[in-house]
Amino acid sequence: EAGVAQSPRYKIIEKRQSVAFWCNPISGHATLYWYQQILGQGPKLLIQFQNNGVVDDSQLPKDRFSAERLKGVDSTLKIQPAKLEDSAVYLCASSSGYHQFFGPGTRLTVL
Amino acid sequence: ILNVEQSPQSLHVQEGDSTNFTCSFPSSNFYALHWYRWETAKSPEALFVMTLNGDEKKKGRISATLNTKEGYSYLYIKGSQPEDSATYLCAFSQAGTALIFGKGTTLSVSS
Repeated sequence: EAGVAQSPRYKIIEKRQSVAFWCNPISGHATLYWYQQILGQGPKLLIQFQNNGVVDDSQLPKDRFSAERLKGVDSTLKIQPAKLEDSAVYLCASSSGYHQFFGPGTRLTVL
Repeated sequence: ILNVEQSPQSLHVQEGDSTNFTCSFPSSNFYALHWYRWETAKSPEALFVMTLNGDEKKKGRISATLNTKEGYSYLYIKGSQPEDSATYLCAFSQAGTALIFGKGTTLSVSS
């Protein structure tokens, strides 16, 4: 069974630029999550989708972050414009029952 | 605000030593407790999902226990090996919610 795929793995941008991350969850998983992990902190939920509907986006900074999940499968997370404090690892996960499976993450550096 | 605490923050042991980590979480509305191992540049790997008070899980040299009434879980590693070096994340969830992570315990094992 293929795992959660994410791209790119690494991204370096200047502040005020835009960036987008892509996630392909495990086939058949209805629930998809995006987490932000800042150095020294645990992963923090940004947004949770159930199929292509948003379940929880209470911690998503909506003035600069957006996310979509078209057709209930792949998802993209966008940051526009990026700030220095957005430097982090962005993890995508999908779940089946209790079990949540993670992709390798995208490490974003904002200069 | 729901909070998950992990201790110690970091740990350095010699090969062959046994060690244990603690995870504290809210005891109300408990649904599941997860342990993950996260090596640099890799996907967080699920070790255990525990749902019942008194649960004990074992996978090779690693085991975990759960006390939902008092809100804590222990992770034990017996006879640590260099390949056990990683960050160990604990995460708690209530029904239908995303995971709430602790900051992790970073383990370094010297040969």
